[in-house]
Amino acid sequence: AQSVTQLGSHVSVSEGALVLLRCNYSSSVPPYLFWYVQYPNQGLQLLLKYTSAATLVKGINGFEAEFKKSETSFHLTKPSAHMSDAAEYFCAVSDRVQGAQKLVFGQGTRLTINP
Amino acid sequence: GAVVSQHPSRVICKSGTSVKIECRSLDFQATTMFWYRQFPKQSLMLMATSNEGSKATYEQGVEKDKFLINHASLTLSTLTVTSAHPEDSSFYICSASRSSDTPTQYFGPGTRLTVL
Repeated sequence: AQSVTQLGSHVSVSEGALVLLRCNYSSSVPPYLFWYVQYPNQGLQLLLKYTSAATLVKGINGFEAEFKKSETSFHLTKPSAHMSDAAEYFCAVSDRVQGAQKLVFGQGTRLTINP
Repeated sequence: GAVVSQHPSRVICKSGTSVKIECRSLDFQATTMFWYRQFPKQSLMLMATSNEGSKATYEQGVEKDKFLINHASLTLSTLTVTSAHPEDSSFYICSASRSSDTPTQYFGPGTRLTVL
């Protein structure tokens, strides 16, 4: 069964500093991988996704993530944090079995930005 | 593109009443829609998956008679919480996927249900 582990339920960085949110997955085949962001009392917004093309994926708001098969990781990064990046971030995985569309979510990482 | 709306955004009801939440894909046809429940400071819990014109598939432990899902068209799915009780109070979020980029899911803004 697929699973996703987000290391660190809470990450705090200073404004302008590097953001690194960790995600490791467990899947029997190379999966589809997603990062979503959730602002308070809102739904989830797709940041970026990996679907088998380039291993370095660029998303919205300056975020990017790199798929590393050898490490079963898909960590999310942003070179310089902005106050507006404060939110909850979810990593999700879906396997490549035809017809299977469910997403399995990690527990989320709350990102706090210090001025 | 790929906008999903939910209505209402917030609802308060009395215990024992039923509440209907609508989920619409505004600019695409949704091959599949999903309903999630989210408790404070927790991740999303998938409740059910629905395809247009067919019965929803519920996750283990979700009462199908309590959480009625109807997917009448390719742009509309509804979740009805029947005989709601305070323990049903939660944040309910729907999502939709389209055939062109499945399994990507596009999420609605969520509905906050409070049962008194």
